[in-house]
Amino acid sequence: QKEVEQNSGPLSVPEGAIASLNCTYSDRGSQSFFWYRQYSGKSPELIMSIYSNGDKEDGRFTAQLNKASQYVSLLIRDSQPSDSATYLCAVDTGTASKLTFGTGTRLQVTL
Amino acid sequence: GAVVSQHPSWVICKSGTSVKIECRSLDFQATTMFWYRQFPKQSLMLMATSNEGSKATYEQGVEKDKFLINHASLTLSTLTVTSAHPEDSSFYICSDADTQYFGPGTRLTVL
Repeated sequence: QKEVEQNSGPLSVPEGAIASLNCTYSDRGSQSFFWYRQYSGKSPELIMSIYSNGDKEDGRFTAQLNKASQYVSLLIRDSQPSDSATYLCAVDTGTASKLTFGTGTRLQVTL
Repeated sequence: GAVVSQHPSWVICKSGTSVKIECRSLDFQATTMFWYRQFPKQSLMLMATSNEGSKATYEQGVEKDKFLINHASLTLSTLTVTSAHPEDSSFYICSDADTQYFGPGTRLTVL
């Protein structure tokens, strides 16, 4: 069974710091990787997608992918209290765009 | 990004009744949409794939006769929970397969 693993947290970082969220996946054939942010009681919001090894930056967010290590991460620079949420890692299954989701990491940004 | 809407945002019904949830793509055509279910403090579980003009495909363990999916147009997919029971109470979310954007979700409570 294809798996996506995330540390459930909570990960607590002070305001202004860099938050580092990690995700590992089991299917070596996966090609597409997504990070979602989910606030309590809301649906997931797509933050980043990454398909190639290396870094991809978008504003305060940087996604990092290492296919050899089957590892994808999300860095949030200058963390704000509004970044406090659960971050879901999702990986394609190779079948008709279906994704497998991790259980999410809860991030708390403290003042 | 692509806008996906859902209606209703929440619904409360009595046990044994049926509930229909609508998922619409507002500014694009969606040939394939996914339906997910999320229980409290758990991750997203894919229920089924909704295909425009053809039958939906269901994930293992999901009863197709209980969760009826209709995708009659390129902008509308519906999920009907038939003979709902309290254990069906959950957060139901649709997403567009191409963009991987989610709708806002529908919270179903069955009394």
